[in-house]
Amino acid sequence: DTAVSQTPKYLVTQMGNDKSIKCEQNLGHDTMYWYKQDSKKFLKIMFSYNNKELIINETVPNRFSPKSPDKAHLNLHINSLELGDSAVYFCASSPVISGRRNEQFFGPGTRLTVL
Amino acid sequence: LAKTTQPISMDSYEGQEVNITCSHNNIATNDYITWYQQFPSQGPRFIIQGYKTKVTNEVASLFIPADRKSSTLSLPRVSLSDTAVYYCLVGDYGTGFQKLVFGTGTRLLVSP
Repeated sequence: DTAVSQTPKYLVTQMGNDKSIKCEQNLGHDTMYWYKQDSKKFLKIMFSYNNKELIINETVPNRFSPKSPDKAHLNLHINSLELGDSAVYFCASSPVISGRRNEQFFGPGTRLTVL
Repeated sequence: LAKTTQPISMDSYEGQEVNITCSHNNIATNDYITWYQQFPSQGPRFIIQGYKTKVTNEVASLFIPADRKSSTLSLPRVSLSDTAVYYCLVGDYGTGFQKLVFGTGTRLLVSP
């Protein structure tokens, strides 16, 4: 029973292409997030959605567009991919109520390589 | 948000106890101390959280002195599978729209 799942696990593409990463959580959580972990292993939040509404946008280039069709899914679409977009992207979720403070549940990550 | 400082890396051997200390001199009254563990090729995983004194669960113990300016994550009798990066987070991110701030973490390598 995968709590937070992402597809694909690996994504290799050329500069300039458009690609999407999908995320699904079956925990019944209201809030979902996207994080980026770069080659130096720094993990930084990109977006947060609550019940399909954008809550946090951390000055991410507008080539990145999150889309939440329902509260169990948060997809990340990236236009005009650049070399610097190469990283591991993690999806996460957290409950709004009845949860432990500061606790998020992370997916396995999607390793994006832009050539 | 309180800035945290932790060792970049630590080495240990199987069966030893490992203590990872995190400094957070400007911790605020409402801040909690939370530790995450990240195995290679996986997302981070919440392992323990505390506010003051000592907290213990099935994975680790967390020691927090009275002044709360530091904390120590203790892993008893580590095994090879404890090789991971351990992140110390300090803040009150609440149970809602959390904006977790991860530092550089401590890379623990457990050898046979």
